[in-house]
Amino acid sequence: DSGVTQTPKHLITATGQRVTLRCSPRSGDLSVYWYQQSLDQGLQFLIQYYNGEERAKGNILERFSAQQFPDLHSELNLSSLELGDSALYFCASSVGGDPLYEQYFGPGTRLTVT
Amino acid sequence: AQSVTQPDIHITVSEGASLELRCNYSYGATPYLFWYVQSPGQGLQLLLKYFSGDTLVQGIKGFEAEFKRSQSSFNLRKPSVHWSDAAEYFCAVASGGGADGLTFGKGTHLIIQP
Repeated sequence: DSGVTQTPKHLITATGQRVTLRCSPRSGDLSVYWYQQSLDQGLQFLIQYYNGEERAKGNILERFSAQQFPDLHSELNLSSLELGDSALYFCASSVGGDPLYEQYFGPGTRLTVT
Repeated sequence: AQSVTQPDIHITVSEGASLELRCNYSYGATPYLFWYVQSPGQGLQLLLKYFSGDTLVQGIKGFEAEFKRSQSSFNLRKPSVHWSDAAEYFCAVASGGGADGLTFGKGTHLIIQP
C-alpha cells in the first residue's frame, strides 16, 4: 500500500459525458501527478500540481482539467468523453515538486467509455 | 524531447536464472532515470533510481541497474529471479531540476517459467 488513494476504482460512462477522478496523496506529500495508461499510448504524464499550484503540464488534452485543493487532494476532470479516453488513470504523490523526489503511485481508476 | 525505449516487449526467464531488461533513453543532459514495476491490477512501485554518482545502483527486491552514458542505457538486472518477479517493468526518465513528470518506456512484460 503506497498511501495514495484514488476513487473510484472503476468508472463506466458514455461518450460525451463528464467524470471526476479523485486522488488523496500520502500524508505530508505536497505534489500530485496524474498519468494515463492506455494500450495505445502507454503511460503518459498528464499534469502536476505542487502545493495547490500547477507546476508542469504534459500530454493533457484541452477537454481534461485538474486542480489541487487546500487539503492537497486533487481531482482530474474529464469532459466530452470519447472512446479513446478509456484508460487507467494513475495519481502519484511526492514530498517535493522536483522529479528527484520519489513518486508513490495510487492503485488507479479504470475508466471505460462506451 | 526526452524519450525512453524498451526494446523487449516480452521476456521469458526460468525461475532461478539471471535477468537483464534493456532500457535506452534520449535526453540532452544528465537525466534522472528510474525503474518501476507494475504487478497485475496494481499501481507502480519504484525499484531504483539514478541521479548522479556511482553508475551501479542497488534497488529493492534484489534488483540493480547500471547507467552507461556512452550507450545511453540504464539496464535492469537481477542475478536470480523468483516467480513473484513476474510483472510489467517500466523504465522512465525525467529532467533533473526541472518541473516535469516522468517519461515512460512502453514496458517489458516478464514471464517466469517454473
